[in-house]
Amino acid sequence: GESVGLHLPTLSVQEGDNSIINCAYSNSASDYFIWYKQESGKGPQFIIDIRSNMDKRQGQRVTVLLNKTVKHLSLQIAATQPGDSAVYFCAENDNFNKFYFGSGTKLNVKP
Amino acid sequence: DGGITQSPKYLFRKEGQNVTLSCEQNLNHDAMYWYRQDPGQGLRLIYYSQIVNDFQKGDIAEGYSVSREKKESFPLTVTSAQKNPTAFYLCASSILGTQGRTIYFGEGSWLTVV
Repeated sequence: GESVGLHLPTLSVQEGDNSIINCAYSNSASDYFIWYKQESGKGPQFIIDIRSNMDKRQGQRVTVLLNKTVKHLSLQIAATQPGDSAVYFCAENDNFNKFYFGSGTKLNVKP
Repeated sequence: DGGITQSPKYLFRKEGQNVTLSCEQNLNHDAMYWYRQDPGQGLRLIYYSQIVNDFQKGDIAEGYSVSREKKESFPLTVTSAQKNPTAFYLCASSILGTQGRTIYFGEGSWLTVV
């Protein structure tokens, strides 16, 4: 199957700084991407999504960037807060209703 | 509240036992999924269903079984044939089609073999 991977398994940032979490995907047919936040012992929570006809999408304090040329996805979190500490992972979908997930990046926010 | 409800949150299984994890959604989603999550690994698809009375094997279906008798329910049975069942199990659902493909998750169920 296709794979979704993350470059950094752990990211530590200072409270108030911006965070950037990266994701590489390999299925060129994927046209829909999602970022999730997962706190310890809980289910993944939807953060933001983007379709392949866009290269940037903004939400509240979060921005997702999509570079289809190099099959790269990133999540930017502005003014990172302690409550942002969690595992973040990306998912890709190629319209066959199967999703592929990366293993995640753990974000540690230092007060 | 609308959402996906999984139960129980914690479940212990003895060797040789079958156990069933419940998943109910009131989002009126057509598709439902079961994933397994092991520490430090990505989600792996066990089974999915796009319509009532129909379901498909995912990447790691061996040792598991499902049913889809109602649109809102998609229980997962972990059978004694699953040799390493200790994991965090996540149920999810989504709308079918090119629009609104976001997949939403329940809060998960921890299964431990004792």
